[in-house]
Amino acid sequence: KAGVTQTPRYLIKTRGQQVTLSCSPISGHRSVSWYQQTPGQGLQFLFEYFSETQRNKGNFPGRFSGRQFSNSRSEMNVSTLELGDSALYLCASSMDRGPEQYFGPGTRLTVT
Amino acid sequence: AQSVSQHNHHVILSEAASLELGCNYSYGGTVNLFWYVQYPGQHLQLLLKYFSGDPLVKGIKGFEAEFIKSKFSFNLRKPSVQWSDTAEYFCAVTPVGGNNRLAFGKGNQVVVIP
Repeated sequence: KAGVTQTPRYLIKTRGQQVTLSCSPISGHRSVSWYQQTPGQGLQFLFEYFSETQRNKGNFPGRFSGRQFSNSRSEMNVSTLELGDSALYLCASSMDRGPEQYFGPGTRLTVT
Repeated sequence: AQSVSQHNHHVILSEAASLELGCNYSYGGTVNLFWYVQYPGQHLQLLLKYFSGDPLVKGIKGFEAEFIKSKFSFNLRKPSVQWSDTAEYFCAVTPVGGNNRLAFGKGNQVVVIP
């Protein structure tokens, strides 16, 4: 079974731009969660989607948003990028909101 | 909200030494507990998990962890490390029956010297 895939793997953007990241979960997994990983703050939860609905949201500003499609693929969007948004963005999937989550390789976003 | 503490962020040890990484969580209810590992250049991988039952759980690559409910702890151990165990280790918790949000500790950077 293929693992969680994320595209693109690397991105360089300029302050003020927006970015969209994509995640394809493991086949059969319907829950997708997003996390931000930085050296200072560690791993922080962004949001979770299940059956195209946002179920949980972390403590991030409204510039961070996401969605999930009927095939369980998910995208997250960050608008008006700031330097502090530079991070590794990780996607994780699980079966029917089960607690065991499997992570993708992440998208490394650099904001200049 | 739950929180997770991991101490001794940087650990350096020689091959064949024993490893123990501490993890304490703060949450009033029942939790699911995890250890994830991130090898250099690789993605987060699940090392082991505890949901219920025997508090001593065994994971991949010879790792084990013990859940001590009274101490809100879930410490990771390996009796004899190898150079290939060089990685960052993260403890994480999520409430049973609640949201699916994983709360992570800050991680332990472990370097094993050959």
